[in-house]
Amino acid sequence: EAGVTQSPTHLIKTRGQQVTLRCSPISGHTSVYWYQQALGLGLQFLLWYDEGEERNRGNFPPRFSGRQFPNYSSELNVNALELEDSALYLCASRDRSAETQYFGPGTRLLVL
Amino acid sequence: QKEVEQNSGPLSVPEGAIASLNCTYSDRGSQSFFWYRQYSGKSPELIMSIYSNGDKEDGRFTAQLNKASQYVSLLIRDSQPSDSATYLCAVNKSGGSYIPTFGRGTSLIVHP
Repeated sequence: EAGVTQSPTHLIKTRGQQVTLRCSPISGHTSVYWYQQALGLGLQFLLWYDEGEERNRGNFPPRFSGRQFPNYSSELNVNALELEDSALYLCASRDRSAETQYFGPGTRLLVL
Repeated sequence: QKEVEQNSGPLSVPEGAIASLNCTYSDRGSQSFFWYRQYSGKSPELIMSIYSNGDKEDGRFTAQLNKASQYVSLLIRDSQPSDSATYLCAVNKSGGSYIPTFGRGTSLIVHP
């Protein structure tokens, strides 16, 4: 069974630009979560999508947004990039009948 | 008080020893607890989940939960250098939000 996939693996952007990160959940999983892990910091919850709807968002500004598609894949968009957005962005998926989340390999974003 | 607390370490143990990793949480109503392993530069990988008081064993790993003391631990028997990683404790709070709160992680170093 394929795990959670994310693309791209690495990305370099400059301040003020916009970026889109993509995530495909494990087959059959309907929930997708996005997290930010900045260097030396813990995992910070960004967004939770389930059945195409945004269910919850963490304490991040509105320039962090996303969506979930009918096939349950998801995108995370970050507008007006700032230097402090440099981090590992992790996507995780969960089956609706369970609580365990499984992480993808992450996208490492560097903002210069 | 942080919601999920872990000693950042590093915890250094010799090869073959038992490594004991600890985590405390603040929400007394928390129901679900998870341990993830994260190698440097990689994404978190689920080791095990635990939901009931007591011990749960999986190979060399044993998770211990004490809800009265709001404490969850992970024991790694016969530690190997390949176990050297950061171990993240995650707790699902009560209310069915399915959004785990992660600790900052404990760095484990197993030296030959």
